[in-house]
Amino acid sequence: DTGVSQDPRHKITKRGQNVTFRCDPISEHNRLYWYRQTLGQGPEFLTYFQNEAQLEKSRLLSDRFSAERPKGSFSTLEIQRTEQGDSAMYLCASSEGGADTQYFGPGTRLTVL
Amino acid sequence: GEDVEQSLFLSVREGDSSVINCTYTDSSSTYLYWYKQEPGAGLQLLTYIFSNMDMKQDQRLTVLLNKKDKHLSLRIADTQTGDSAIYFCAEEVKNTDKLIFGTGTRLQVFP
Repeated sequence: DTGVSQDPRHKITKRGQNVTFRCDPISEHNRLYWYRQTLGQGPEFLTYFQNEAQLEKSRLLSDRFSAERPKGSFSTLEIQRTEQGDSAMYLCASSEGGADTQYFGPGTRLTVL
Repeated sequence: GEDVEQSLFLSVREGDSSVINCTYTDSSSTYLYWYKQEPGAGLQLLTYIFSNMDMKQDQRLTVLLNKKDKHLSLRIADTQTGDSAIYFCAEEVKNTDKLIFGTGTRLQVFP
């Protein structure tokens, strides 16, 4: 399978805990994007990388959120001190470059109790 | 700012055509996309249209773009039960590559 993969698919955590999600993009895709989708809404942009450089961060990405793409391949999204409002589907997408089609992974569903 | 709007629900009979509508605000968008999402799954790219085109056809899918009115539509011919899903339109913000999504249209196909 050469699509975008995400791990884990589901995560249940208690409020205040830290969580980390991983995204593996399509091989040789330079751009990697993170989006968040809450129930009944469309995905909202969080941040994106060109290789290992983080080029843009949405104002939705509070200080408790951090994303990395250390070697320009896989990326991690960490949420510290989770809150119930963080419960959502976190989607990752990748593309070959600017203005190119974004292909999405299956998402990680986070539930904060 | 950028905004994308869609109607929330559409119900059609199997075999009929479905038309899902979308309006957007950013006239500088270069590409507009349609994605499909089934329950609990990620987004599947269906088709896209470049902003200088009026129409694009891909098998059962036809995309119409009216730039003057900033209106985009997706027509699904011969709708099947497997087409039941949520359909999102999205515009690509120029010079940023991020996508702005609508709230999605839930398509229900009944026999």
